[in-house]
Amino acid sequence: DVKVTQSSRYLVKRTGEKVFLECVQDMDHENMFWYRQDPGLGLRLIYFSYDVKMKEKGDIPEGYSVSREKKERFSLILESASTNQTSMYLCASSLVRGRTGANVLTFGAGSRLTVL
Amino acid sequence: ILNVEQSPQSLHVQEGDSTNFTCSFPSSNFYALHWYRWETAKSPEALFVMTLNGDEKKKGRISATLNTKEGYSYLYIKGSQPEDSATYLCAPGSNFNKFYFGSGTKLNVKP
Repeated sequence: DVKVTQSSRYLVKRTGEKVFLECVQDMDHENMFWYRQDPGLGLRLIYFSYDVKMKEKGDIPEGYSVSREKKERFSLILESASTNQTSMYLCASSLVRGRTGANVLTFGAGSRLTVL
Repeated sequence: ILNVEQSPQSLHVQEGDSTNFTCSFPSSNFYALHWYRWETAKSPEALFVMTLNGDEKKKGRISATLNTKEGYSYLYIKGSQPEDSATYLCAPGSNFNKFYFGSGTKLNVKP
């Protein structure tokens, strides 16, 4: 089974801190994604990457950046955390760009971030 | 951004009841639709991938239908069991990497 591992299940940070959320997948998937989930809202796409060193903005990229130096690892960076970034963050990956049946998302367990 | 609506937001049923929920989305620019199941404290898991108008998919007691012309998909659970308790997410997409999630239907099945 494909595994997507997020480094931290729960984090508590202070306003203004730099925050790194790490995600690793072990099945050679090309695509990787970061979503956030807030009560009453669907999962919202922050950034995605379809190749090493490639990234594209999702629907809510403001206040975030990403890094993909290796195929298996996709990091989400909050340069200066703010309270409105308190949320559940989900990383996901999918196999092959452009193949309908193969772009189903495999998710990590999520990282719940609280910014005080 | 696609406006995706799922209804109801939550549902409480007794074990053995059959149930269904709806996912509505704009019918233009349709590429595919995914259904995911998200149990508490676990990762969302894919249930179905649907691409063609009239598609019907089935996995055990769970099935789904798709109408791309009118922009909706139904998910059915026959004879609900407590282990079916989860949030069910639909995600229609406008291209291979642009999938938009609804806020989900939270199902609670009481024994």
